Amino acid sequence: SQTIHQWPATLVQPVGSPLSLECTVEGTSNPNLYWYRQAAGRGLQLLFYSVGIGQISSEVPQNLSASRPQDRQFILSSKKLLLSDSGFYLCAWSRDLGYEQYFGPGTRLTVT
Amino acid sequence: RKEVEQDPGPFNVPEGATVAFNCTYSNSASQSFFWYRQDCRKEPKLLMSVYSSGNEDGRFTAQLNRASQYISLLIRDSKLSDSATYLCVVTRRDKVIFGPGTSLSVIP
Repeated sequence: SQTIHQWPATLVQPVGSPLSLECTVEGTSNPNLYWYRQAAGRGLQLLFYSVGIGQISSEVPQNLSASRPQDRQFILSSKKLLLSDSGFYLCAWSRDLGYEQYFGPGTRLTVT
Repeated sequence: RKEVEQDPGPFNVPEGATVAFNCTYSNSASQSFFWYRQDCRKEPKLLMSVYSSGNEDGRFTAQLNRASQYISLLIRDSKLSDSATYLCVVTRRDKVIFGPGTSLSVIP
């Protein structure tokens, strides 16, 4: 069966510091991968998605970036965090575009 | 107008009640539809896909009305454990859109 991992589970970072969140998927190959952010009390905002290694599509211009160095690894990064980057970051995978998505446990980021 | 809309609620219902949520979408090219549930401070989890002919999974029934562009979720015999936020999801080609969610509280 497929599993998706995210770490860390929680993170407190000062404004201006860098960020790296990692997501890995097991039990499937060539998944579509997604990064979402959910601000407190708000809906899901799609940040990036990837259909293959090195292929990243950005949905929202901001100070975040994503990379996919391996088939089942998806990384979310920032060089300098802003207060507005606080939120619940979720990674998800799907078999293909348009199919159901499965989410990792998420990383709760607080920027202070 | 948002592409996917839901009544945010909250819906407060007693145990054993039947409750229904609707979700409307604006783009007629939408292809696939799903319902997710999200518990407080947790990740969304797939509840069920929504098929054109309607589908049922235990106490949960999902319906799709393409003509009126909405999907629905019916929960029968509500349990305390059904308390969560219910998200509808609409996909088309390379786009996935999550609705803002409907909050349900089942009261003893």
